[in-house]
Amino acid sequence: DIQMTQSPSSLSASVGDRVTITCRASQGISNYLAWYQQRPGKVPKLLLYAASTLQSGVPSRFSGSGSGTDFTLTISSLQPEDVATYYCQKYNSVPLTFGGGTKVEIK
Amino acid sequence: QVQLVQSGAEVKKPGAAVKVSCKASGYSFTSYDINWVRQATGQGLEWMGWMNPNSGNTAYAQKFQGRVTMTRNTSISTVSMELSSLRSEDTAVYYCARRKAFYGMDVWGQGTTVTVSS
Repeated sequence: DIQMTQSPSSLSASVGDRVTITCRASQGISNYLAWYQQRPGKVPKLLLYAASTLQSGVPSRFSGSGSGTDFTLTISSLQPEDVATYYCQKYNSVPLTFGGGTKVEIK
Repeated sequence: QVQLVQSGAEVKKPGAAVKVSCKASGYSFTSYDINWVRQATGQGLEWMGWMNPNSGNTAYAQKFQGRVTMTRNTSISTVSMELSSLRSEDTAVYYCARRKAFYGMDVWGQGTTVTVSS
């Protein structure tokens, strides 16, 4: 099975900072990658799919890039409401594995 | 509005089985796969499997093969997930989520807490 590895596992940044999270697949998955945000105590929310397509209603400060094995999620200007854990997920084939998550906090 | 509504919390003894349901509304039930994802307290998301409500086809994560069964009732737009031979490590919140090919999981149920305890 393809493994999904996220880094870092946690980060702390100031409001307004640019934040980048990395997701690496152990084998190529083309652009079949989604990113989710899970705020504390809440249900996961889809942010992006196809590696870089913003889900409807998601703020434009979120962006994604990558193809093959290396992907990034960028928050261009961190806001207090972005405190959450972020997960990547591959969906080119089963199993639809999630990355381990990146917890984002405000400094 | 589009939503997935799950059944309520369950408390089970080790070795028992649990069945969680997920009722869809606001969209064409057979047009989206239903996935099941679980999350133990303080842990990450774990994909369990999916069902195509149109064909009834399923795919399960290897970890759950032989213990999980997903079924559907198209007349009431509901997919159910049954997990058997429960152990304490199965204590988690279980989510259903819909997905269409080439897209992510865009609508999630509210989650169902399953507690396995003697």
